[in-house]
Amino acid sequence: NAGVTQTPKFQVLKTGQSMTLQCAQDMNHEYMSWYRQDPGMGLRLIHYSVGAGITDQGEVPNGYNVSRSTTEDFPLRLLSAAPSQTSVYFCASSFGDSSTDTQYFGPGTRLTVL
Amino acid sequence: QQQVKQSPQSLIVQKGGIPIINCAYENTAFDYFPWYQQFPGKGPALLIAIRPDVSEKKEGRFTISFNKSAKQFSLHIMDSQPGDSATYFCAARFSSGSARQLTFGSGTQLTVLP
Repeated sequence: NAGVTQTPKFQVLKTGQSMTLQCAQDMNHEYMSWYRQDPGMGLRLIHYSVGAGITDQGEVPNGYNVSRSTTEDFPLRLLSAAPSQTSVYFCASSFGDSSTDTQYFGPGTRLTVL
Repeated sequence: QQQVKQSPQSLIVQKGGIPIINCAYENTAFDYFPWYQQFPGKGPALLIAIRPDVSEKKEGRFTISFNKSAKQFSLHIMDSQPGDSATYFCAARFSSGSARQLTFGSGTQLTVLP
């Protein structure tokens, strides 16, 4: 049971380049989310999914796209990278239980946009 | 607009001390309040959580105190240890139908001196 895995761990992009951050979970969780973490700002929700084929925007969705074709995978796409997208990105998953709703986070991807 | 305000930003205590981290929220529709612990280079992990119909919850050395009327909640760490040195995030969950979104505080970096 690997939990939540993210690739790559580190990435450097030039402004305008595009890329996909990969996220996978093997816990059969319905809910998956993407957050970005910036110093002094906590974690901010980018996009989330309540199940395969269903996605929605979070607090800071601009510049990012997501899709959820399977329960296991939830990739995050940067369409045209900007220096403001330099951050640490975390993927998380949960059962979405109304009473507890523990979110399990991946190890993160540290992205630098030059 | 930051919906969950966390303080202090950083905290240093001696081993055995009782660090207290405070959070305040604005949205009375929040229905679940977790605390996450994050070590350097790792993703956050759930530490303890509380629902708004409970005023206090203890798990080992960790206690959440919840004041619904004041819209505030806090984390107390009893008999703190150097191994507790980490960044702590409070969060609050908003639920609408099947969708659930977490809003995080800005984080508190705790250092426990030996």
